[in-house]
Amino acid sequence: GAGVSQSPSNKVTEKGKDVELRCDPISGHTALYWYRQSLGQGLEFLIYFQGNSAPDKSGLPSDRFSAERTGGSVSTLTIQRTQQEDSAVYLCASSSEAPRANEKLFFGSGTQLSVL
Amino acid sequence: AQRVTQPEKLLSVFKGAPVELKCNYSYSGSPELFWYVQYSRQRLQLLLRHISRESIKGFTADLNKGETSFHLKKPFAQEEDSAMYYCALSGSSYKLIFGSGTRLLVRP
Repeated sequence: GAGVSQSPSNKVTEKGKDVELRCDPISGHTALYWYRQSLGQGLEFLIYFQGNSAPDKSGLPSDRFSAERTGGSVSTLTIQRTQQEDSAVYLCASSSEAPRANEKLFFGSGTQLSVL
Repeated sequence: AQRVTQPEKLLSVFKGAPVELKCNYSYSGSPELFWYVQYSRQRLQLLLRHISRESIKGFTADLNKGETSFHLKKPFAQEEDSAMYYCALSGSSYKLIFGSGTRLLVRP
């Protein structure tokens, strides 16, 4: 595809349910990021994948959050036992490795998660 | 620890007025700094980066290591500049840390 693709674009779930959010990065991009965008909180870093290296999970807010990246491409962010405070827009971004992985991030349009 | 602070949640100016969006950072090493912008109903996108020392859409930003600042400036604001602006910092880990954002509203 031409850009970073995220699905679903909107997700409404009930408190306590699990959700999976998907991200398809730009083909060939080795770096992949997940961020959470909340009103008044800005962009909160969640997790960072770079190639085959161990991911940087330092931003995950609790053990209910996990993410994986299969085959160095598609990534899934999973939130277990969702809580109302998990409601936010979840953004995925990717970038190429050279010369620096963070030189320019390309963002998806996000998944709006609403936990009722 | 890396931290980015944008003290203003909202900045409202009239068309043609100068604009300065403030950004302060905390990082012990040599940082890479960026400004990202999100226009209404569009994706977040890179506006400019300090390493390039570029001017994009009339915006400039200078890294001031003494004041640990990277303020975004434009001499004459346009209505189409209205958007959400995020300052971001990258240290040695390549992880990008964003500030909380400033909404710029340019009134006609």
